[in-house]
Amino acid sequence: QQQVKQSPQSLIVQKGGIPIINCAYENTAFDYFPWYQQFPGKGPALLIAIRPDVSEKKEGRFTISFNKSAKQFSLHIMDSQPGDSATYFCAANRGSTLGRLYFGRGTQLTVWP
Amino acid sequence: ETGVTQSPTHLIKTRGQQVTLRCSSQSGHNTVSWYQQALGQGPQFIFQYYREEENGRGNFPPRFSGLQFPNYSSELNVNALELDDSALYLCASSFPLTGLNNEQFFGPGTRLTVL
Repeated sequence: QQQVKQSPQSLIVQKGGIPIINCAYENTAFDYFPWYQQFPGKGPALLIAIRPDVSEKKEGRFTISFNKSAKQFSLHIMDSQPGDSATYFCAANRGSTLGRLYFGRGTQLTVWP
Repeated sequence: ETGVTQSPTHLIKTRGQQVTLRCSSQSGHNTVSWYQQALGQGPQFIFQYYREEENGRGNFPPRFSGLQFPNYSSELNVNALELDDSALYLCASSFPLTGLNNEQFFGPGTRLTVL
């Protein structure tokens, strides 16, 4: 059973475009939603994270939008660059579990120059 | 500050063999989590160690076992290897604060191939 569902599986955009990756969850006990970026041969690196008490969080060119009632959250990458080409994972966590992360299946993003 | 390190980088084993993977947590972190990432999939939680005790386990059989040492480094052991165990094994360290979700820092992983 996939606790966090992520779409699309792959995404191709032109440089400067705004790719959007979506995730949905069922467990209302989740209270922490991070996004990770992974390059080939590397481990995932934390990009940005949000808690359900806010609807949006922005860090640099990365923005998370969070819709608690719909149990959905999404990642927007502004002014995308070829260096953003990577696999992106959304995840969710219940704070009481000391950090077990439930990951989505990932989105492979390609940004063409 | 030293990040999370894992060894070895790559490993090739045959079915039925046993393997030990190692992880050194980031300086100051007392919690280590292990994840299995199959090709084209998201990481799946195996188990977590907090202050040398197992603290939660995912849906993995008992042939997956682990240890955490007093310096908070950790080992993942897999017995009776199966072909489906071929994956990238990731270690993540963190320092959980009471009442707060903890940020996890991942190592580069160990790529295990079972033939």
